[in-house]
Amino acid sequence: EAGVAQSPRYKIIEKRQSVAFWCNPISGHATLYWYQQILGQGPKLLIQFQNNGVVDDSQLPKDRFSAERLKGVDSTLKIQPAKLEDSAVYLCASSLNGAGGPETQYFGPGTRLLVL
Amino acid sequence: AQSVAQPEDQVNVAEGNPLTVKCTYSVSGNPYLFWYVQYPNRGLQFLLKYITGDNLVKGSYGFEAEFNKSQTSFHLKKPSALVSDSALYFCAVRDIFYNQGGKLIFGQGTELSVKP
Repeated sequence: EAGVAQSPRYKIIEKRQSVAFWCNPISGHATLYWYQQILGQGPKLLIQFQNNGVVDDSQLPKDRFSAERLKGVDSTLKIQPAKLEDSAVYLCASSLNGAGGPETQYFGPGTRLLVL
Repeated sequence: AQSVAQPEDQVNVAEGNPLTVKCTYSVSGNPYLFWYVQYPNRGLQFLLKYITGDNLVKGSYGFEAEFNKSQTSFHLKKPSALVSDSALYFCAVRDIFYNQGGKLIFGQGTELSVKP
């Protein structure tokens, strides 16, 4: 079974530029998560989708970050304009239905973003 | 608010010796607890989880974890460490309130170094 796929793996941009990340979850997983992992810290949730609807985006900086999951499968996370403090690893995860139970979240390899 | 703490930034162990990576939690109600491992430039890999029942949970790669409700701890253990176990380990608790989504709340991570 294929795991969670993410691209690109690495991205370097200058501040005020825009960038987009792509995620393809495990087949059949209804729930998709985007986490931000700053160096030296644990991942923090940015946004959670259930199919193509947003369940939790309370920690997403909506003035610069946006995300979509139009057909309930792939997802794109965008940053526009980027700031220096956005330098981090962006992790995508998926789970079967995300109904708040103890199901496991499976993570992709992440996209490492450096903002100069 | 639910939280987890990993009191040690780094743990050093000699190969062949037992290892313990500590985690304490603070939750309302019964917790769903997870351990993940992160190798350099890789995403998070699931090791094990506690849902209910037996306090000793067995997971991947010979790891196990002991749930202790009175001490609010969920320490990760392995009887005999391998050099290849060297990595960053994260403890996490699942947000159990559905209307807040199902995000994982992570500790800050513990760097495990196993020397030959």
